[in-house]
Amino acid sequence: GQNIDQPTEMTATEGAIVQINCTYQTSGFNGLFWYQQHAGEAPTFLSYNVLDGLEEKGRFSSFLSRSKGYSYLLLKELQMKDSASYLCAVRDRTGFQKLVFGTGTRLLVSP
Amino acid sequence: GAVVSQHPSWVICKSGTSVKIECRSLDFQATTMFWYRQFPKQSLMLMATSNEGSKATYEQGVEKDKFLINHASLTLSTLTVTSAHPEDSSFYICSARLLLAGRPNTDTQYFGPGTRLTVL
Repeated sequence: GQNIDQPTEMTATEGAIVQINCTYQTSGFNGLFWYQQHAGEAPTFLSYNVLDGLEEKGRFSSFLSRSKGYSYLLLKELQMKDSASYLCAVRDRTGFQKLVFGTGTRLLVSP
Repeated sequence: GAVVSQHPSWVICKSGTSVKIECRSLDFQATTMFWYRQFPKQSLMLMATSNEGSKATYEQGVEKDKFLINHASLTLSTLTVTSAHPEDSSFYICSARLLLAGRPNTDTQYFGPGTRLTVL
């Protein structure tokens, strides 16, 4: 089975940097995804890591360490619109490559 | 690209009725689509995997006779909630798997906008 852990809530200030951590245990790891979800809306894709290291995409970066079962999402130059839930999801190598989601981290950005 | 639509975006129905939700991949073909349910302030819970031309694969604890899934074409999957009850009220989200031939790094799920179901 899979077990994915994220902090429940985080707060940060506009313009700052925030790191959201995700730890996982899975029997058939085949990639880790980060999604952003605003309240009442569907998740939108942010990043994907399958190899160790850092993937950078504008203000967002994601890091993966497969040996440690650990990932983080780094958000720079925070904006108010970044207030949302951030979902870490692990793809299962078996079973049609399904995604298993963590509980999500609610990020509140204040002025 | 990679747009997924859902219809309807919200629905209110009486207890005991059935509701059909459509999920379409608009600009790509998806042999695999997924159906999720999300309760308030909780994460997405996978209900079932829908494969074009074959029976859906349901997650443990999900009643296949209550949540009927049909994936009749490479761009359409439907979820029918049969004999809906108030406890079925939730946010239902579908996703479609995009995988370009020879490019494994493109293997990503794209989500529809969701359908909010309220059963009275």
